[in-house]
Amino acid sequence: GAGVSQSPRYKVAKRGQDVALRCDPISGHVSLFWYQQALGQGPEFLTYFQNEAQLDKSGLPSDRFFAERPEGSVSTLKIQRTQQEDSAVYLCASSFGTSDHNEQFFGPGTRLTVL
Amino acid sequence: KNQVEQSPQSLIILEGKNCTLQCNYTVSPFSNLRWYKQDTGRGPVSLTIMTFSENTKSNGRYTATLDADTKQSSLHITASQLSDSASYICVVSAPTGANNLFFGTGTRLTVIP
Repeated sequence: GAGVSQSPRYKVAKRGQDVALRCDPISGHVSLFWYQQALGQGPEFLTYFQNEAQLDKSGLPSDRFFAERPEGSVSTLKIQRTQQEDSAVYLCASSFGTSDHNEQFFGPGTRLTVL
Repeated sequence: KNQVEQSPQSLIILEGKNCTLQCNYTVSPFSNLRWYKQDTGRGPVSLTIMTFSENTKSNGRYTATLDADTKQSSLHITASQLSDSASYICVVSAPTGANNLFFGTGTRLTVIP
């Protein structure tokens, strides 16, 4: 496809369940970002990959959150032992280069609801 | 502390009317400022980008302004359409670092017929 895709679009999990969210960036994009967006708020940074290297994970809220991009393309955000406060939309974005002037293209997000 | 504040939080206007959304920021150093449109259930899409030296940028019926001295930006929408109903997010970029985007909380715009 031409844009960033994410799956699933919606995920309902029981508290304590593990979840995995997938992001397919635009082909050839070097940079990949994960954001968490609470209802009515702007996105908040979680982590950043440059190719397969995770260069910044300072935004991950706890050690229950783990992200990987093993081949420098598709990325997975995993949340272990989900809690109700993890309920949010998780956005993935990719950009062609590494400059701050490179536009980030966002996927549609995965809405996670933890019961 | 790097912050981006937007006003109003929400806005309802009649179709065909104009409106202006505001963004104030404290991000320093500053690289660029973007306005994004986020439709319900979709990811944000960039409307305009302005660097330090630019004070206005247009994209169709959208016109953004930037005053880097007062650290203020506005997004003016002309002749609004029903499809303009969305959240508009102001995003300020710092020059370095992966976590270099600072997002406002957005203005929720509803255009009614």
